[in-house]
Amino acid sequence: GENVGLHLPTLSVQEGDNSIINCAYSNSASDYFIWYKQESGKGPQFIIDIRSNMDKRQGQRVTVLLNKTVKHLSLQIAATQPGDSAVYFCAERGSGGGFKTIFGAGTRLFVKA
Amino acid sequence: DTEVTQTPKHLVMGMTNKKSLKCEQHMGHRAMYWYKQKAKKPPELMFVYSYEKLSINESVPSRFSPECPNSSLLNLHLHALQPEDSALYLCASSQPTGAVNEQFFGPGTRLTVL
Repeated sequence: GENVGLHLPTLSVQEGDNSIINCAYSNSASDYFIWYKQESGKGPQFIIDIRSNMDKRQGQRVTVLLNKTVKHLSLQIAATQPGDSAVYFCAERGSGGGFKTIFGAGTRLFVKA
Repeated sequence: DTEVTQTPKHLVMGMTNKKSLKCEQHMGHRAMYWYKQKAKKPPELMFVYSYEKLSINESVPSRFSPECPNSSLLNLHLHALQPEDSALYLCASSQPTGAVNEQFFGPGTRLTVL
């Protein structure tokens, strides 16, 4: 069945360093992937998305890479800041433009000052 | 306005109580969602409304009853809940169709069932 998971449950980085959060997915038919950030006491917040016809997409300080060959997704955060501390979820949507979005297990990012 | 609001922020209820969670958005989104999130777990989809009609019910027990009275409002009626239903309930909204599906989430209602 569909499964979106993460390699590491927690990640600790020094302020100013780059962070890389990884995600593996199993549904090769998924056509759209999203990264969400969830801070304590808040709902998930959209960070960046990528469609399956792309390999890379950049935003402000964030880059998402998609490797369809190995069904792997990553989120790179440049110059990590204390405000980046949160849980990060990858999510996938099946093909056909439907509403069903499946979230991965999540990675907690700690940023050390 | 890019905000999804949810009320109440916290709710404590007994197993015989009836309560409702409310969600509102004014972004013109015609798809609205309810998710359940247990501690240290990802959100799990419960219901999706598209153009005020129920589109997806992820086999949710009937003690949870969703309602979409208009395009801006989404309710979740609760009755005869169990302690294991205690969780954060998240509402989200998005455009109903298209190539992308950016969902905007509210802050959630923290529900405790005694």
